[in-house]
Amino acid sequence: QITLKESGPTLVKPTQTLTLTCTFSGFSLSTSGVGVGWIRQPPGKALEWLALIYWDDDKRYSPSLKSRLTITKDTSKNQVVLTMTNMDPVDTATYYCAHKSFGDYFDYWGQGTLVTVSS
Amino acid sequence: EIVMTQSPATLSVSPGERATLSCRASQSVSSNLAWYQQKPGQAPRLLIYGASTRATGIPARFSGSGSGTEFTLTISSLQSEDFAVYYCQQYNNWWTFGQGTKVEIK
Repeated sequence: QITLKESGPTLVKPTQTLTLTCTFSGFSLSTSGVGVGWIRQPPGKALEWLALIYWDDDKRYSPSLKSRLTITKDTSKNQVVLTMTNMDPVDTATYYCAHKSFGDYFDYWGQGTLVTVSS
Repeated sequence: EIVMTQSPATLSVSPGERATLSCRASQSVSSNLAWYQQKPGQAPRLLIYGASTRATGIPARFSGSGSGTEFTLTISSLQSEDFAVYYCQQYNNWWTFGQGTKVEIK
């Protein structure tokens, strides 16, 4: 049974760096073909893919946010960490992590964590 | 970046009726297309992948079709639990989502 859960601050100030952790179980991020991605959703708006890390430590970033994002993994802890620099109120959103299947779609999602950017 | 466009933005349907949702890609994504359902306060749930394959546990009233740039999600007979927002997503070239279609009770 695959589960994922996001954790991190609920409130950050403008210009600060956001660090979110995805803790998962039911799969190993050292298994070929597997990945973990981050997706966000501003209140009342659509989903936006942010970043993904593969089992072999290859990484992909949304072109529009690439300069602000870093994704890393700790296979021994079953965790993936996303950092986003220079936070702005427009970055207020629910942030989800999700399991990427062998077929490259996201088949399991965490419950999401709402991050508000405000001074 | 591949842009995904969904239509309509809102679909008003009576329970028991058929709902047809459309998704168009700005360039071909082959069959690398998924559909997700999202209810208020919940994470998205995978419904369809590979444009037409139902995910585990998804009822047969959900079906997907299309390839290339034009895709359709059909819900054959809407149940009360199907009123939600539906997103298409391409995974042929990284990942992008459509803006969603809200299926509401008529």
